[in-house]
Amino acid sequence: QVQLVQSGAEVKRPGASVKVSCKASGFIFTDYFMHWVRQAPGQGLEWMGWMNPHSGDTNYAQKFQGRVTMTRDTSINTAYMEMNSLMSDDTAVYFCARRISTGYYSLFDYWGPGTLVTVSS
Amino acid sequence: QSVLTQPPSASGTPGQRVTISCSGSSSDIGVNTVNWYQQLPGTAPKVLIYYDNERPSGVPDRFSGSKSGTSASLTISGLQSEDEGDYYCAAWDDRLNGRDVFGTGTKVTVL
Repeated sequence: QVQLVQSGAEVKRPGASVKVSCKASGFIFTDYFMHWVRQAPGQGLEWMGWMNPHSGDTNYAQKFQGRVTMTRDTSINTAYMEMNSLMSDDTAVYFCARRISTGYYSLFDYWGPGTLVTVSS
Repeated sequence: QSVLTQPPSASGTPGQRVTISCSGSSSDIGVNTVNWYQQLPGTAPKVLIYYDNERPSGVPDRFSGSKSGTSASLTISGLQSEDEGDYYCAAWDDRLNGRDVFGTGTKVTVL
């Protein structure tokens, strides 16, 4: 069965960096784009970008360009999202989500459980 | 960051019909398909409707979706207590080199 297992909660100081992992199993990791979505406390969902595990290509939301890096290690079927220069309003739950696409539609069909990143001095 | 507009809340008694609207533009809903995600308290989102009105296997048929022009809607026919949670529409936005956009979210309360 498809599973996305994320790394544990993190507490970081303002200005620090964080790297969240998302280990995939139950499917061919390089066949599906992996996206990252975050959710601040009590707020809605915010798309951050995607990474193509086959090629390593990425596309980031304009808001996060220059501050976010999405990578992968295909030997262990794991995707990573690293964010630097953290600020308090980066406090959020960060989700990885698998994207399935056809010629007609696409959707996030599997989500990780989320990783809480708290930025506090 | 959200460019799709939803009402902040909706409610009904068990068995009632509830409809949630999602308003977008010509660069997102107007030209791309709409998905709906359900997020129950403390959990990750789960796809409820994809390709405007298709239900994944396992999703009860009381959930249905529709789209017209630059707007979409989700209807829950026969509201149940386990439907209480947050609902988000989503679509691809062709602007800014392409991006996924989510709705502002609607909290559904079962009275």
